[in-house]
Amino acid sequence: RKEVEQDPGPFNVPEGATVAFNCTYSNSASQSFFWYRQDCRKEPKLLMSVYSSGNEDGRFTAQLNRASQYISLLIRDSKLSDSATYLCVVRSTGTASKLTFGTGTRLQVTL
Amino acid sequence: EPEVTQTPSHQVTQMGQEVILRCVPISNHLYFYWYRQILGQKVEFLVSFYNNEISEKSEIFDDQFSVERPDGSNFTLKIRSTKLEDSAMYFCASRASGGDEQYFGPGTRLTVT
Repeated sequence: RKEVEQDPGPFNVPEGATVAFNCTYSNSASQSFFWYRQDCRKEPKLLMSVYSSGNEDGRFTAQLNRASQYISLLIRDSKLSDSATYLCVVRSTGTASKLTFGTGTRLQVTL
Repeated sequence: EPEVTQTPSHQVTQMGQEVILRCVPISNHLYFYWYRQILGQKVEFLVSFYNNEISEKSEIFDDQFSVERPDGSNFTLKIRSTKLEDSAMYFCASRASGGDEQYFGPGTRLTVT
């Protein structure tokens, strides 16, 4: 089983649509969870951390279900500028612990 | 807003040559990382560095790779004898003590011919 698994997409949605991405992770001891955004040939940029209580940042809502080892990202009112690859990322235990990335889900928002 | 910087943005080298990729992490950060991304593939962890020593390394990070913090600001990745399969984007990242998030530099595209 892959450490972090995502549907690669692409998800093609019209502007204004709501879109949801899902992710599962295999290591139950994982400590922290994130969504990063990556534009073509650019660095990953932190979108938001994900907490068990769920968190929202404007049009973006992230949820974590530790029991199911499942993470989600919901984007409401999609904009053209949301077109990118969304990376599900997990941090392992340990002080200087590494990030483990999923392969990413590509989103294309169209007019 | 403070950011991680990397130089060069693109490096072309011949197989067997040594390359040094440079990073300047965010100034008050204490944890440093190198990741790589082969074109079309996922981002992969290479090494983490804290308190002037390697904390963790992946199986990719073999004897051909080394890291160094030569002064108070730079963090370098050296590949001693490059192979064709080392061609990738190399990202440096840093994290603050007590913080959870890692911030990435813009990357160095390494092309080995």
